[in-house]
Amino acid sequence: DVKVTQSSRYLVKRTGEKVFLECVQDMDHENMFWYRQDPGLGLRLIYFSYDVKMKEKGDIPEGYSVSREKKERFSLILESASTNQTSMYLCASSFHRGPNQPQHFGDGTRLSIL
Amino acid sequence: KQEVTQIPAALSVPEGENLVLNCSFTDSAIYNLQWFRQDPGKGLTSLLLIQSSQREQTSGRLNASLDKSSGRSTLYIAASQPGDSATYLCAVRYGNNRLAFGKGNQVVVIP
Repeated sequence: DVKVTQSSRYLVKRTGEKVFLECVQDMDHENMFWYRQDPGLGLRLIYFSYDVKMKEKGDIPEGYSVSREKKERFSLILESASTNQTSMYLCASSFHRGPNQPQHFGDGTRLSIL
Repeated sequence: KQEVTQIPAALSVPEGENLVLNCSFTDSAIYNLQWFRQDPGKGLTSLLLIQSSQREQTSGRLNASLDKSSGRSTLYIAASQPGDSATYLCAVRYGNNRLAFGKGNQVVVIP
């Protein structure tokens, strides 16, 4: 079974802090994704990566950056956390072999910014 | 822009009844459609993926159909059980690695 592991289930940080969310997958997937999920807005793509050191902006990249130094690990960085970044963050991964590879999700990190 | 709608947002059914969940999307230029299950406070579990050339996919008590030309998909869950209570999301794959998600159907199966 595919395993996508997010380092924290719950995280509480203060405004202005630099926050790191980590995601690791064990299936040698080329693609990795970061989403946020908010009530009434659904899931929205922040960034994705299709290879080491490669990244593309999603629909809502403002206030975020990402890092992919190793194939199995994809980090989301909140440069200066703000209260409107309080949300559920979901990481996903998939193979890059054509368009019909399903995305597999981690259990999410519920982040609160105080 | 691709938009995905799931109606109703919430529904309750008695145990044993068949569940029918609907998903519609605005642009028929999709690669595939994926149905997910999400339990409270958890991530998404992939249930079924239907490629754009397919009409349906089945897995156990689950059956999903796709009518790409009309922009619709339906997820059927036969003989519902209390353990089927969850939120079900559909997502369409379009463009470069892009998924557009619906907001989900929150299902409660009453014992």
